[in-house]
Amino acid sequence: ETGVTQTPRHLVMGMTNKKSLKCEQHLGHNAMYWYKQSAKKPLELMFVYNFKEQTENNSVPSRFSPECPNSSHLFLHLHTLQPEDSALYLCASSPNDRGLGYTFGSGTRLTVV
Amino acid sequence: GQSLEQPSEVTAVEGAIVQINCTYQTSGFYGLSWYQQHDGGAPTFLSYNALDGLEETGRFSSFLSRSDSYGYLLLQELQMKDSASYFCAVRDRGTGTASKLTFGTGTRLQVTL
Repeated sequence: ETGVTQTPRHLVMGMTNKKSLKCEQHLGHNAMYWYKQSAKKPLELMFVYNFKEQTENNSVPSRFSPECPNSSHLFLHLHTLQPEDSALYLCASSPNDRGLGYTFGSGTRLTVV
Repeated sequence: GQSLEQPSEVTAVEGAIVQINCTYQTSGFYGLSWYQQHDGGAPTFLSYNALDGLEETGRFSSFLSRSDSYGYLLLQELQMKDSASYFCAVRDRGTGTASKLTFGTGTRLQVTL
């Protein structure tokens, strides 16, 4: 375990479904992130939250809706997804110190059918 | 925008030394990080360079030249367990107080006997 827990580990959903991904950290970090990892592509930053406030939205389609109720929890709500949204969704957290690395969760493997 | 380039694949023999290069283009540069990701696992933080020069952590070392927008990860005494993907990532200032990481496409390292 890395200290960042993501659930579920695997998710298969239809294009008309609504589902949510959950991320939890108890490392005392202030910032939390959602990344998308597709095959043969770099990790793509989706959203950044700092002290529960969203500070970055990297031109993500509105069918992805993040929620950060507190500094320890981060959600990604999914609705009317497309097959090309199938990917590994990674959550990460970090302190605001520039010299320290991100701690990633193991990800949710999402398949849209 | 930001862009990072690194080789897609590298193969090396157990016990050897391998160097993975990374060149980047970015604005608001804070530093260069390296992450390791085993198949099916979470990316894990290896190193961070904010200043020019070499940082050593056990068998792994990382180098940065800010004037050349270039860095590398050096892995010594390679072991089979080092077979993984290695990502360089640029840390730059995001909107607000949280910095953000932009990742390269990753280098898949295969260690052979």
